[in-house]
Amino acid sequence: AQKITQTQPGMFVQEKEAVTLDCTYDTSDQSYGLFWYKQPSSGEMIFLIYQGSYDEQNATEGRYSLNFQKARKSANLVISASQLGDSAMYFCAMREGTYGNKLVFGAGTILRVKS
Amino acid sequence: EAQVTQNPRYLITVTGKKLTVTCSQNMNHEYMSWYRQDPGLGLRQIYYSMNVEVTDKGDVPEGYKVSRKEKRNFPLILESPSPNQTSLYFCASSPVSGQWGTSTDTQYFGPGTRLTVL
Repeated sequence: AQKITQTQPGMFVQEKEAVTLDCTYDTSDQSYGLFWYKQPSSGEMIFLIYQGSYDEQNATEGRYSLNFQKARKSANLVISASQLGDSAMYFCAMREGTYGNKLVFGAGTILRVKS
Repeated sequence: EAQVTQNPRYLITVTGKKLTVTCSQNMNHEYMSWYRQDPGLGLRQIYYSMNVEVTDKGDVPEGYKVSRKEKRNFPLILESPSPNQTSLYFCASSPVSGQWGTSTDTQYFGPGTRLTVL
């Protein structure tokens, strides 16, 4: 069964506007971590933001915030004030269980920022 | 500078010709892992290592081998490459996750190796 689902293969957003990238996950573990990575056209994987399952507040890192809804098992990435440099592939990933390092990735969402 | 390096970055080879993709990290991380990225599938784990001489299969290990003789190095070996192994490969490293996990356990990725098997 798909553990990480990103339902938006591609998204467009106007420069300076906010955009939400969807991510739902499936796990029976109580302890897990959720990550978002950015992959620009150059190919490298850039860590953006992390949310632990026990964190009560939504994570924020600059223009990135994670809308964590535990009951719905969703961990959407919100990018505020989009910039042209935000155009990239975005991956949601989950690390399950205690003492676990393995990341399970979604299929990704391609974001294009329009000027 | 803390980093994960991979070589080569690009490789075109032919079916059956053994190849090795090297991976090295300078952060003294215990955990290292190999992923492959394919369109529509995201990244999938091939093999991982929790420490020196400790390796285990990930989700898609068929056709690959690894070794971990030194803490910093984790080479990926394709003994007899086939066209279905054409992919973008990433090496990653991190500290071993503690009991509850934190953001500091996030994996640091190498720049990727784009492999084409003809």
